[in-house]
Amino acid sequence: DGGITQSPKYLFRKEGQNVTLSCEQNLNHDAMYWYRQDPGQGLRLIYYSQIVNDFQKGDIAEGYSVSREKKESFPLTVTSAQKNPTAFYLCASTNRGYNEQFFGPGTRLTVL
Amino acid sequence: QQPVQSPQAVILREGEDAVINCSSSKALYSVHWYRQKHGEAPIFLMILLKGGEQKGHDKISASFNEKKQQSSLYLTASQLSYSGTYFCGTEQGGSEKLVFGKGTKLTVNP
Repeated sequence: DGGITQSPKYLFRKEGQNVTLSCEQNLNHDAMYWYRQDPGQGLRLIYYSQIVNDFQKGDIAEGYSVSREKKESFPLTVTSAQKNPTAFYLCASTNRGYNEQFFGPGTRLTVL
Repeated sequence: QQPVQSPQAVILREGEDAVINCSSSKALYSVHWYRQKHGEAPIFLMILLKGGEQKGHDKISASFNEKKQQSSLYLTASQLSYSGTYFCGTEQGGSEKLVFGKGTKLTVNP
């Protein structure tokens, strides 16, 4: 079955540690996105990539980094520079054009 | 610029209708609608392109008024399964990225 996988579902880290969230898709989609969701805030775009080896900052990129070395993979690193990293993180992908975004199940990150 | 959704929350009895609105201060290329159950991934409902097109999906339909930069989602004869938070995502200027509203929480009771 085609889809998007994110792992792990729950992640706990100590303050000051970097952490990398995984996102893999087997839908052969060109574009991939990372969103952050906080209660009452909707989905806010962190980074997105429309092709391999290229990515752009979204609205809240500070304290995050990404890479897009393979079409299937778009990992997100939450660095220690991110002031308030505890949130629900969603990865999505789409074919370019006016197409729906398919979302992964999300990773809930808690920084202690 | 984040689109504004209204109302923030609505409570219905099964079988009642609801309308959720999404408005933007920017010119829009397209509007996407998603529904999310608590703790789960958002699920795609429909896309509307500029041109005032109206789309439907079972008893859920939507309209897009390009001139007013507004979209509305219509839920007819609501079912318990319609409960969740509805988000509109707007695409501005052909950027191929979406800006989502804060969501409308819909609760359908028996």
